[in-house]
Amino acid sequence: RKEVEQDPGPFNVPEGATVAFNCTYSNSASQSFFWYRQDCRKEPKLLMSVYSSGNEDGRFTAQLNRASQYISLLIRDSKLSDSATYLCVALDWGTGNQFYFGTGTSLTVIP
Amino acid sequence: DVKVTQSSRYLVKRTGEKVFLECVQDMDHENMFWYRQDPGLGLRLIYFSYDVKMKEKGDIPEGYSVSREKKERFSLILESASTNQTSMYLCASTTGTGRTEAFFGQGTRLTVV
Repeated sequence: RKEVEQDPGPFNVPEGATVAFNCTYSNSASQSFFWYRQDCRKEPKLLMSVYSSGNEDGRFTAQLNRASQYISLLIRDSKLSDSATYLCVALDWGTGNQFYFGTGTSLTVIP
Repeated sequence: DVKVTQSSRYLVKRTGEKVFLECVQDMDHENMFWYRQDPGLGLRLIYFSYDVKMKEKGDIPEGYSVSREKKERFSLILESASTNQTSMYLCASTTGTGRTEAFFGQGTRLTVV
């Protein structure tokens, strides 16, 4: 069983749509969570950290539900430039500061 | 800005060659990591290091070794390259507390022929 599971998609949505990604993690000791964005043939880059209270950055909203061990990312008013793969990441401070990556969810925003 | 730099973007090597992948970070980070990324499998941890001369095996260390002689540099070595090591290799670093995000290098796409 993978530590972090994501729906790989692909998600194909029209411009302006709202799209939501979910991810679940199995290690209840994970303390920090992130969403990364990865463009084709490029390195992952931090999109946003995820806090228990939920956090928002412009059109992006991240939520964490520790009881259910899932993380979500909501993208509102999708832009063509949002097309990428989104990686869900959990960090366990205890086991050598190990990052656990989901395999990513592919998003294509269509004109 | 944190910068993590990998020595090559693209490499083509022959089976059996010894391959060195270099990674340098300029933010005085204690922790450094090597991952490989393959379609459908995501990022898998090969080795990581907390400090100079320290190393820990990740999930898939077989066929690889690492070296960390200086804090800013973490090298991945393929002792005898094989075709199943064709992959995208990503180096990352984080601060000593390890509670913040990982910063990635631009990746090295290695092809073993």
